[in-house]
Amino acid sequence: RKEVEQDPGPFNVPEGATVAFNCTYSNSASQSFFWYRQDCRKEPKLLMSVYSSGNEDGRFTAQLNRASQYISLLIRDSKLSDSATYLCVVNAFYNQGGKLIFGQGTELSVKP
Amino acid sequence: EPEVTQTPSHQVTQMGQEVILRCVPISNHLYFYWYRQILGQKVEFLVSFYNNEISEKSEIFDDQFSVERPDGSNFTLKIRSTKLEDSAMYFCASSAGTATYEQYFGPGTRLTVT
Repeated sequence: RKEVEQDPGPFNVPEGATVAFNCTYSNSASQSFFWYRQDCRKEPKLLMSVYSSGNEDGRFTAQLNRASQYISLLIRDSKLSDSATYLCVVNAFYNQGGKLIFGQGTELSVKP
Repeated sequence: EPEVTQTPSHQVTQMGQEVILRCVPISNHLYFYWYRQILGQKVEFLVSFYNNEISEKSEIFDDQFSVERPDGSNFTLKIRSTKLEDSAMYFCASSAGTATYEQYFGPGTRLTVT
């Protein structure tokens, strides 16, 4: 089983659509969870941390279900500028600072 | 807004040569990392560094790789004898070590080994 597994994508949606990304992780000891976005050939950029209670940042809502080892990201009212690859990332904290384990990413293309 | 910087943006080298990739982490951060991304593949962890020593390293980080923080601001990754399969994008990241250890990435160095 992959350590972090995401929907394979790509997702092609019209502007204004709502799109949901799903992710599962295999290590139940994982301590913190994130969504990053990556534009073509650029660095991963932190979109948001994901908390057990769920959290929202504008049009973006992230959810975590520790029992199911499942993470989700919902984007409402999608914009052209949301086109990117969305990376589900976990940190297992085996050592000081931990290491990030990345999913393969799900590509999103928002069309006019 | 503080950011991680990396130099060079692109490095071309011949197989067997040594390369040094440089990073300047965010100034008040305490944890430093190197990751790499081979074209078309996912981002992979290489090494983490805290308190002037390696905290953890992956299987990729073999004896050909080393890291250093020579002067309190720079953080370097050295590859002693490059191989074709070392061609990748190398990202440096840093973290302040807050509760969730959020990591911020530099723009990367594209390493091409010919």
